[in-house]
Amino acid sequence: GQQLNQSPQSMFIQEGEDVSMNCTSSSIFNTWLWYKQDPGEGPVLLIALYKAGELTSNGRLTAQFGITRKDSFLNISASIPSDVGIYFCAGANYGGSQGNLIFGKGTKLSVKP
Amino acid sequence: EAGVAQSPRYKIIEKRQSVAFWCNPISGHATLYWYQQILGQGPKLLIQFQNNGVVDDSQLPKDRFSAERLKGVDSTLKIQPAKLEDSAVYLCASSLRGAPETQYFGPGTRLLVL
Repeated sequence: GQQLNQSPQSMFIQEGEDVSMNCTSSSIFNTWLWYKQDPGEGPVLLIALYKAGELTSNGRLTAQFGITRKDSFLNISASIPSDVGIYFCAGANYGGSQGNLIFGKGTKLSVKP
Repeated sequence: EAGVAQSPRYKIIEKRQSVAFWCNPISGHATLYWYQQILGQGPKLLIQFQNNGVVDDSQLPKDRFSAERLKGVDSTLKIQPAKLEDSAVYLCASSLRGAPETQYFGPGTRLLVL
């Protein structure tokens, strides 16, 4: 099945640093979502984007819906140890009651305390 | 509000055996999803239910996988017979109205096929 290209695959950062990750697709989407998954848990929604060019923040997290509708970006500012986990992007074309999520392979974030 | 419940949390079986997973969605959520998440990948949708009807099962390997949602609440996913490549985490999610951003995921069932 289709999957999105997410990069980087993993990253180690120093606490307090900013983090950037991105997601690209060969297809356009009308919705982009960013999730965080902790070990042994299901993904938890961080940010949802609905319009090309949209920039949305959730605390220290900021995400953007790319102009081409084929990409999205997530930034985490001033990282802290609890930011450790796997971050997934997901795209969807929502219409009616349907809009299946297509997920990226994830970016594994590790923070050095 | 209680979240999506799944059981068992872990299961180890041998290839060619059968296995079943159970999901109890958030109360009132009409839409229920089963995802397969192989290690190192993102979740992949297997099947979507709206109440007790199937909306999308295009990626469900129907020769070995089956799912049902009797009475439009709980759901079970079955694999018969299991193959080594079925080792994965099986996630259940539910949604009030089917919009992607309204999906809530359960903790998943981790399956290991030996």
